[in-house]
Amino acid sequence: EAQVTQNPRYLITVTGKKLTVTCSQNMNHEYMSWYRQDPGLGLRQIYYSMNVEVTDKGDVPEGYKVSRKEKRNFPLILESPSPNQTSLYFCASSSGTSVYEQYFGPGTRLTVT
Amino acid sequence: AQSVAQPEDQVNVAEGNPLTVKCTYSVSGNPYLFWYVQYPNRGLQFLLKYITGDNLVKGSYGFEAEFNKSQTSFHLKKPSALVSDSALYFCAVRGPAGTYKYIFGTGTRLKVLA
Repeated sequence: EAQVTQNPRYLITVTGKKLTVTCSQNMNHEYMSWYRQDPGLGLRQIYYSMNVEVTDKGDVPEGYKVSRKEKRNFPLILESPSPNQTSLYFCASSSGTSVYEQYFGPGTRLTVT
Repeated sequence: AQSVAQPEDQVNVAEGNPLTVKCTYSVSGNPYLFWYVQYPNRGLQFLLKYITGDNLVKGSYGFEAEFNKSQTSFHLKKPSALVSDSALYFCAVRGPAGTYKYIFGTGTRLKVLA
């Protein structure tokens, strides 16, 4: 089954404790992206990647890091999480031949206390 | 800079009635526009897109959208609403050419009343 998976689905952590949210897709997609969803703000893009080793900032990259060492994986790293990073996070991927339709993962709900 | 606006936080419609969810955009160049739907506790699902061509775009689950260049709008429509259409709907626009940037609206919650 074609899908985007994220782990963990739920995470509660404390301020300053480094964490990684993994994202993996099994569709051989070139494009991958991370978003955060906050009430009243919709989805905002954090980072995106157009291929292996090619990443760029979205609208809200501060406090986040990403890497794209393999085509299928695109982890999101929070080096020193803060409470304002409490949010619902989505990973998405898209094919280079149909670059506009994104497939979304199920989401990761992160709480930073 | 590209932007998209969804002026209604919530839309209520009776089952069987037509529905419209509004979206306006601001882009430089040709717009690439999308609608996504989010059901409770789920990720977003693609509904339809406008890239070029016919101004009326048909998508999944009986939804369609009308692209209007003069009004810079891309409203989502369905002729007859179902209770199961109740969800959160997002309009999105692709960012500048050569990037993979996307700008999403704030979302409109659709409630279809039985």
